Amino acid sequence: AQKVTQAQTEISVVEKEDVTLDCVYETRDTTYYLFWYKQPPSGELVFLIRRNSFDEQNEISGRYSWNFQKSTSSFNFTITASQVVDSAVYFCALSGAPSSGGSYIPTFGRGTSLIVHP
Amino acid sequence: GAVVSQHPSWVICKSGTSVKIECRSLDFQATTMFWYRQFPKQSLMLMATSNEGSKATYEQGVEKDKFLINHASLTLSTLTVTSAHPEDSSFYICSARETGLVDNEQFFGPGTRLTVL
Repeated sequence: AQKVTQAQTEISVVEKEDVTLDCVYETRDTTYYLFWYKQPPSGELVFLIRRNSFDEQNEISGRYSWNFQKSTSSFNFTITASQVVDSAVYFCALSGAPSSGGSYIPTFGRGTSLIVHP
Repeated sequence: GAVVSQHPSWVICKSGTSVKIECRSLDFQATTMFWYRQFPKQSLMLMATSNEGSKATYEQGVEKDKFLINHASLTLSTLTVTSAHPEDSSFYICSARETGLVDNEQFFGPGTRLTVL
């Protein structure tokens, strides 16, 4: 069975601070995908990143960066110089790879609510 | 590309009425669509998998007679909440998976907020 743990329920920071959102996962699949989504107050899920389990390179996209550590089954997300507009709930998710016999239906973490104060 | 729409974006209805929510893949064909439910401050919970031309597969604990799913075409799935009650008030999100590529990901719609009075 797959499991995604986002231990931080809520994080509160002041604008311009850096913040890291943790994600730890469990899976028996050898090939899998990891995702991060942002859900602002409007409710729409905004796709941020999809990472294949074979690609352990860290990724940076503007103020966003992701640290994938297969050895610790973690896929952490860092926002640098946070802004008020970053306030949202962030979900980490995990899915298998059908080409390897896994399920494409993602398992979501419980989400981390990020509040950025001006 | 890969846009999924939902209609309506929000709906308020009286207890006992039925509500239909549409999910459309706008620029791709989706053999499989998914319906999720999200209560306030909680994660997304998969309700059912909708397969074009066949019956939906419901997750354990989801009443199939209450949440009717129809996937009549490769771009449209509908979720009908029958005889809605206040406890059905929730945020319903659909997603669609493009036909063809085996490891395709899901693309999410913007969600529909249902409030039952």
